[in-house]
Amino acid sequence: AQSVAQPEDQVNVAEGNPLTVKCTYSVSGNPYLFWYVQYPNRGLQFLLKYITGDNLVKGSYGFEAEFNKSQTSFHLKKPSALVSDSALYFCAVSRGGGYQKVTFGIGTKLQVIP
Amino acid sequence: GAGVSQSPRYKVTKRGQDVALRCDPISGHVSLYWYRQALGQGPEFLTYFNYEAQQDKSGLPNDRFSAERPEGSISTLTIQRTEQRDSAMYRCASSQGGGGAGVTDTQYFGPGTRLTVL
Repeated sequence: AQSVAQPEDQVNVAEGNPLTVKCTYSVSGNPYLFWYVQYPNRGLQFLLKYITGDNLVKGSYGFEAEFNKSQTSFHLKKPSALVSDSALYFCAVSRGGGYQKVTFGIGTKLQVIP
Repeated sequence: GAGVSQSPRYKVTKRGQDVALRCDPISGHVSLYWYRQALGQGPEFLTYFNYEAQQDKSGLPNDRFSAERPEGSISTLTIQRTEQRDSAMYRCASSQGGGGAGVTDTQYFGPGTRLTVL
C-alpha cells in the first residue's frame, strides 16, 4: 500500500516570506514523489518530482522540494512567496518500478497574504 | 493536441440516468488515467490504460462504473444508473510512457468534468 499525508489543511504566509508545505509518505521500496498545484477552476498542474539522486529537486515557478528518506518526507518550499502562489497543493507518491498508480494527498491550501 | 481535454466540462443529470465522460489525451501518450475528486479531497484513482489495454481498474467503486479506450487514444468513462453520491469532479490524465522503463511517469491532467447528479 502507498499513502500520503499532508498534515496542514491550510498554510498562511506573508508575501516575500519563505513558504513550506509539508508532505510525508508511506510506500514500500524506493518512492517516486510528486507535487501538483491546482488553481481555482483549473486542472492539476505538475510542479516537480523526485525519482532518485539529489535530494533537493527544483521545479516550476521557483518551487523546490526536499526528499528526506529517514523522515519519509517531501516538503515543498519556496524562498519568497508571491500572492499568485495562492492555490491548492497536492503531494503524491508511487512505488516506482514501472508501477503507474499514483496516490494523492488531500491537499494543502496555500494563502499568501499581501 | 496541446494538452489533455475533457468533455463535457459540466454535466448535470438526474438520478438513474447513464452518463459518458470523454477524455482526449496528449497526442502520443501511451498511458491514460481516470480519477475522481470529491470536494476537499485529493484525486482518487479509478483506473488506467496503456494503449487500449486496461491495466488496473481496482479503483472503480462498483460495477456501474466502466471505462474503455478502444483505439488507444480517446477514452470514455461511463457511469450507469447514476446516484447522487456519484457527484464529483472526474479528472483524466495522460503520461508519455507505459512504465516499461521501470519509472513512474509524470501525469498531465485535463480540466476535469464536474458531474452533478440530482
